[in-house]
Amino acid sequence: AQTVTQSQPEMSVQEAETVTLSCTYDTSENNYYLFWYKQPPSRQMILVIRQEAYKQQNATENRFSVNFQKAAKSFSLKISDSQLGDTAMYFCALGNQGGKLIFGQGTELSVKP
Amino acid sequence: GAVVSQHPSWVICKSGTSVKIECRSLDFQATTMFWYRQFPKQSLMLMATSNEGSKATYEQGVEKDKFLINHASLTLSTLTVTSAHPEDSSFYICSARGGKGIAEAFFGQGTRLTVV
Repeated sequence: AQTVTQSQPEMSVQEAETVTLSCTYDTSENNYYLFWYKQPPSRQMILVIRQEAYKQQNATENRFSVNFQKAAKSFSLKISDSQLGDTAMYFCALGNQGGKLIFGQGTELSVKP
Repeated sequence: GAVVSQHPSWVICKSGTSVKIECRSLDFQATTMFWYRQFPKQSLMLMATSNEGSKATYEQGVEKDKFLINHASLTLSTLTVTSAHPEDSSFYICSARGGKGIAEAFFGQGTRLTVV
């Protein structure tokens, strides 16, 4: 069975600081994808960053980067220079070739001024 | 990015009635669509996967007779909650995937269903 675990229900960070959200997963598949999604109060799911499992290089999107440790099945998200607009629920997700996603429990991030 | 539109954004219905939620891919053809359910402060739980022109595949524990899914075209999937009860009140979100080689799925804005 595929599982995704986010062990931090809530996190807070001061504006302009850096925060890291943790995620571990388990899968028996060789080809898979990992995603971080942001869900603000509007509840629209917004893709933050994605990582193909076959790629060793960690994905980066502006202030967002991941630390992908395939052997450890770990996929953490680092947010640099945190902004008030980053306040949201963040979900780690494991996906297969078919687009099906398994989500973690979520981490509620608060960025404080 | 690709746009997925979900309608309605919110709906209130009486117990025992049925309600239909639509999920449309506006600028791409979605071979596969997914329906998720999200309770307050919880994660998204996959309910079913629908492929155009074939029967939906339901996740374990999801009643297929209660949650009817139809994927009649490459741009439209519908979820009908039949004989709704208050415990069906939830946030329902769809996502749509494009063709082969595109692993990313794009999300609709969600539908908040309240059954009174």
